[in-house]
Amino acid sequence: AQSVTQLDSHVSVSEGTPVLLRCNYSSSYSPSLFWYVQHPNKGLQLLLKYTSAATLVKGINGFEAEFKKSETSFHLTKPSAHMSDAAEYFCVVRVNTGGFKTIFGAGTRLFVKA
Amino acid sequence: KAGVTQTPRYLIKTRGQQVTLSCSPISGHRSVSWYQQTPGQGLQFLFEYFSETQRNKGNFPGRFSGRQFSNSRSEMNVSTLELGDSALYLCASSLSLRGSDTQYFGPGTRLTVL
Repeated sequence: AQSVTQLDSHVSVSEGTPVLLRCNYSSSYSPSLFWYVQHPNKGLQLLLKYTSAATLVKGINGFEAEFKKSETSFHLTKPSAHMSDAAEYFCVVRVNTGGFKTIFGAGTRLFVKA
Repeated sequence: KAGVTQTPRYLIKTRGQQVTLSCSPISGHRSVSWYQQTPGQGLQFLFEYFSETQRNKGNFPGRFSGRQFSNSRSEMNVSTLELGDSALYLCASSLSLRGSDTQYFGPGTRLTVL
């Protein structure tokens, strides 16, 4: 069975400090992995994706993520948080199980303190 | 290029009624997926269409159905509405059915069932 676990429901950081949002997945198939961000009352926006090329993936707004197959992880990081990063972040797995299945993590709410 | 559009943006219905939501994908995109987002269950996959055919379906009752037209526009229908169907319904489009394709999300339709 395929699953996605976001290890923290809430993360709080101070502006200018690093951000780490953790994601573990379980899949019997080779997955494509994505991180999306959802600002309040806004749609989902793609931050970055892993599709079996480079394991370190760079995305928009300074975010990056590293695919670690041995740890089945795809953690999202950013060196320095900005107030505008406050939002909900979703880790997503997409696998072909005879038809594509897209599984969202429960989400991590990021708070950024001034 | 225009993004994914969803109509209507807000809907209020009563229990037992039915509702139809519409999604227009980005021009050139042939795959459309639907998701339900609720505070309790998070984002859950409903179904995915490609070339007017349903390619995959999530774990929702048969009251939830959809279709895709030859111009790739899609509709989803919920019959015999229940209070628990109150949610944000998101549509996403992608170029094709490859797992690595980015899904672009619309702003959603907020359905309230009274």
